[in-house]
Amino acid sequence: KAGVTQTPRYLIKTRGQQVTLSCSPISGHRSVSWYQQTPGQGLQFLFEYFSETQRNKGNFPGRFSGRQFSNSRSEMNVSTLELGDSALYLCASSWHTGGGWTEAFFGQGTRLTVV
Amino acid sequence: QKEVEQNSGPLSVPEGAIASLNCTYSDRVSQSFFWYRQYSGKSPELIMSIYSNGDKEDGRFTAQLNKASQYVSLLIRDSQPSDSATYLCAVKQTGANNLFFGTGTRLTVIP
Repeated sequence: KAGVTQTPRYLIKTRGQQVTLSCSPISGHRSVSWYQQTPGQGLQFLFEYFSETQRNKGNFPGRFSGRQFSNSRSEMNVSTLELGDSALYLCASSWHTGGGWTEAFFGQGTRLTVV
Repeated sequence: QKEVEQNSGPLSVPEGAIASLNCTYSDRVSQSFFWYRQYSGKSPELIMSIYSNGDKEDGRFTAQLNKASQYVSLLIRDSQPSDSATYLCAVKQTGANNLFFGTGTRLTVIP
């Protein structure tokens, strides 16, 4: 069974540009969550999508947005990039059983560098 | 106030020893608890999950949960150099699916 796949693995962008990151969850997983990891702030929750709907959102500015498609693949977009957006962006997928949400499994991440 | 706190370390133990990693959380509605291992430059890898008070063992790993004290720990027995990594404690609240992470504890196992 394939794991969570994130593309691209590495990106270098210039301040002011926008970027789109992609995440394909584990087959059968319908929940996709995005996290930002930086040395200073650690791992922070961005948002979660389930069945194409945003279920939950972290404390990030509106420049960060996302969406989910009918095949559960998800994208996140960051507009007007700032130097501080340089980070490892991680996607995690999980599914919902009758008893609740399962463990989250992470993709390899996209390393974004803003110059 | 941070929701999940861990001792950032670094924690160094000799090969074969027991490594003890600790985590406290502030929100009493937290329901699910996880330990992830993250090697340098890699993504977090789930190693343990625990949902009820007590101990849960999986191979060389034992997770311990005490909800009254809002405390989660991870014991690694017979530590190996390959266990050298950052260990992240994560907490999920009731009904939610997002994780709150601690800042991680860096563990070094000395051969």
